[in-house]
Amino acid sequence: ETGVTQSPTHLIKTRGQQVTLRCSSQSGHNTVSWYQQALGQGPQFIFQYYREEENGRGNFPPRFSGLQFPNYSSELNVNALELDDSALYLCASSPLGGGGETQYFGPGTRLLVL
Amino acid sequence: AQTVTQSQPEMSVQEAETVTLSCTYDTSESDYYLFWYKQPPSRQMILVIRQEAYKQQNATENRFSVNFQKAAKSFSLKISDSQLGDAAMYFCAYRSGSGSARQLTFGSGTQLTVLP
Repeated sequence: ETGVTQSPTHLIKTRGQQVTLRCSSQSGHNTVSWYQQALGQGPQFIFQYYREEENGRGNFPPRFSGLQFPNYSSELNVNALELDDSALYLCASSPLGGGGETQYFGPGTRLLVL
Repeated sequence: AQTVTQSQPEMSVQEAETVTLSCTYDTSESDYYLFWYKQPPSRQMILVIRQEAYKQQNATENRFSVNFQKAAKSFSLKISDSQLGDAAMYFCAYRSGSGSARQLTFGSGTQLTVLP
């Protein structure tokens, strides 16, 4: 069974640029959640996708957007990058079902905005 | 909105000893789930243990156990026979049992050091 994978592992961008991060969910999981983890802090919920539709969103501006594909993989897009967007971006997958499902995380993508 | 508080930014324990990490949360819901995740320097968030709020029995996973006090809204993690590989950042997390997204709300973490 393949776990959650993310790409790239790290990248460097400049302010104002756009970035796309990718996530492949664990086998059998149809829900993907994205989190932003600033240095020294706990992860903050960005949004969740279920069956290719946004299923909930945290307190992040519209320049954070996402997609989910028919194979349940997902992308996180960030436009007009700001210095404060520098963080670890975590993807988690879960089998949305009876309510008790656990989220399993990928290794993350470290983004540095200069 | 739910909040999760971890009041111990750092903890240390001697190898083979026992350590307890504290977590409190605030919610008005009755149906929810609580988790402890471990994040080693490799950055990957690893599930340690989970607790359903409707279960009175405390969850255990090998050397890891929780003390779930629902009325006090407290959810501490006990690590027995600590090993060097237990050194990591530990996060307590809350998830509602209702609503569509059911996102995780994390505390600020406790950095655990295991001394040889």
